[in-house]
Amino acid sequence: DIQMTQSPSLSASVGDRVNITCRASQSISTSLNWYQQIPGRAPKLLIYSASTLQSGVPSRFSGTGSGTDFTLTISSLQPEDFATYYCQQSYTTLGYTFGQGTKLDIK
Amino acid sequence: EMQLVESGGGLVKSGGSLRLSCAASGFTFTISNMNWVRQAPGKGLEWVSSISSSSTFIYYADSVKGRFTISRDNAKNLLHLQMNTLRAEDTALYFCARSYCTSGNCYFDDWGQGTLVTVSS
Repeated sequence: DIQMTQSPSLSASVGDRVNITCRASQSISTSLNWYQQIPGRAPKLLIYSASTLQSGVPSRFSGTGSGTDFTLTISSLQPEDFATYYCQQSYTTLGYTFGQGTKLDIK
Repeated sequence: EMQLVESGGGLVKSGGSLRLSCAASGFTFTISNMNWVRQAPGKGLEWVSSISSSSTFIYYADSVKGRFTISRDNAKNLLHLQMNTLRAEDTALYFCARSYCTSGNCYFDDWGQGTLVTVSS
């Protein structure tokens, strides 16, 4: 099975540039997606295929990486961005795997 | 407007069964791959099962294989999850999600609000 590893938490302030990282246990090319989840809400797709911005998602969100190391960047944090962020791999259809999530909270 | 509405959750005793449903509207269900993803209280997301548009391809997480069965009714725009031999660790909010695949990558582009399953021991 492919394991996805994220840092559990991150603290930042409004206006900060933030990088959230995700590491795969083996190469997954660019089969990597990012989701945002606000407490009490369903997850929301932000980035797919490592770097493609989902329609309607603000351009302050961006994604980079390939192989095993991936980064979600928020260029200038807004109050509504404080949430939990999950990466998800789809390299193998036999088992989509999510990272354990990175909770972004206010410093 | 695209909508996914889950139902069927509730409180069940360990070893019992439950059938979840997801009603889809606002998009062409018959050509969409569908999935169940769950989230235990205070925990992260866990993919549970996927079914292709015509039910040709079906996949399960190891944690539910042999106990859960995913199915769909394209005539009624419904997705189901039959859950048998339930365990305490199956307690979670179960989300229905549509997936789209392109260039070797599949992602969950729309989600329902979830239905809560609680398994008591």
